[in-house]
Amino acid sequence: AQTVTQSQPEMSVQEAETVTLSCTYDTSESDYYLFWYKQPPSRQMILVIRQEAYKQQNATENRFSVNFQKAAKSFSLKISDSQLGDAAMYFCAYRRAGTASKLTFGTGTRLQVTL
Amino acid sequence: EAQVTQNPRYLITVTGKKLTVTCSQNMNHEYMSWYRQDPGLGLRQIYYSMNVEVTDKGDVPEGYKVSRKEKRNFPLILESPSPNQTSLYFCASRRTGGDTQYFGPGTRLTVL
Repeated sequence: AQTVTQSQPEMSVQEAETVTLSCTYDTSESDYYLFWYKQPPSRQMILVIRQEAYKQQNATENRFSVNFQKAAKSFSLKISDSQLGDAAMYFCAYRRAGTASKLTFGTGTRLQVTL
Repeated sequence: EAQVTQNPRYLITVTGKKLTVTCSQNMNHEYMSWYRQDPGLGLRQIYYSMNVEVTDKGDVPEGYKVSRKEKRNFPLILESPSPNQTSLYFCASRRTGGDTQYFGPGTRLTVL
């Protein structure tokens, strides 16, 4: 069974600084997708960034980028120029390719942004 | 606007009183699913549906039922709720061949 591990329950970053959230996963599949979701206090699940396993290039979305290390099964999220609005719970998620496959989530990292 | 809607957003009920949480999407997605979120556990899949009249269990299906009579709707039914079903519930949908799931706003359920 696939598992996703987020070893940092809480992180803190100062405004305008950079922070990296860690995620590792376990799978025997070669074709899969990885995601980072943000959950602000409103509880809405917001997709931050996604990565296809067959793509070697790391995904980037504005201030958010990932470091995808397929061999190490690592998928970290880097937030640059942190803003107060980045404060939220962040979930790493995995889904193998296939029509019926589900998202498997990590337990989340709560990010605080301080002035 | 493309969206997944859930109702109600908040619900407090008592043990054993049947309830239904509705989910609807307007994106013509084939795949729909329900998740529950509990502190320290992340989100776990309850049930999913590949299309109309096709449903299957996820990781934590006990105590829940679903139906998919129409493509856009995927209600979650708790026939006899118990306190351990107190949780935050999310409905989600995606295209069968799509990689991204779209989530509803969540339903906070408390069972006393």
